[in-house]
Amino acid sequence: AQSVTQPDIHITVSEGASLELRCNYSYGATPYLFWYVQSPGQGLQLLLKYFSGDTLVQGIKGFEAEFKRSQSSFNLRKPSVHWSDAAEYFCAVGARSNYQLIWGAGTKLIIKP
Amino acid sequence: KAGVTQTPRYLIKTRGQQVTLSCSPISGHRSVSWYQQTPGQGLQFLFEYFSETQRNKGNFPGRFSGRQFSNSRSEMNVSTLELGDSALYLCASSLGGSGTGTSEQYFGPGTRLTVT
Repeated sequence: AQSVTQPDIHITVSEGASLELRCNYSYGATPYLFWYVQSPGQGLQLLLKYFSGDTLVQGIKGFEAEFKRSQSSFNLRKPSVHWSDAAEYFCAVGARSNYQLIWGAGTKLIIKP
Repeated sequence: KAGVTQTPRYLIKTRGQQVTLSCSPISGHRSVSWYQQTPGQGLQFLFEYFSETQRNKGNFPGRFSGRQFSNSRSEMNVSTLELGDSALYLCASSLGGSGTGTSEQYFGPGTRLTVT
């Protein structure tokens, strides 16, 4: 069955510290992978996506993610978080000719001053 | 380019009533997807429309329905509202020609529905 797992419901990080949010997927086809961010009271915004090629992808707001096929993972990273990064982060996976994305449950990021 | 708009932003209804939510996609986008978001269940896929045709439907009861118009605007309807329908309803648009599984989705701010 297709699924996306974000093991951490909440993560607390100090401002200026590095961040890694985990995402594991189970998908039969070649996956198309996405990370979205949802700030409080807003809709979701795409941070980055991986379709093929270089397994390290850069996104907006200083985020990057690495696709590791052997581990079925697509973890999101940022070297130094800012208070404005406090939000909920969603990992999603899709495939060509699929008409929906499979979504993870989300990870809420809390920033300590 | 204007983003995805959803109306209304907030709605309070009572059990048993019905509600219609509206979504206007980004100009040129032909695919519209609807999601229900609740604290306990996360983001749940409702349905996806492309060029007025429903291409996929999530696991929701028949009380949830939708449609898409020729200008790509979409509506979703929930009949006989239940308390458990209280949620944030998100609409997302994309180009979607090859399926939304590979397309970036652009989300609206959502409609917050409260059922009392």
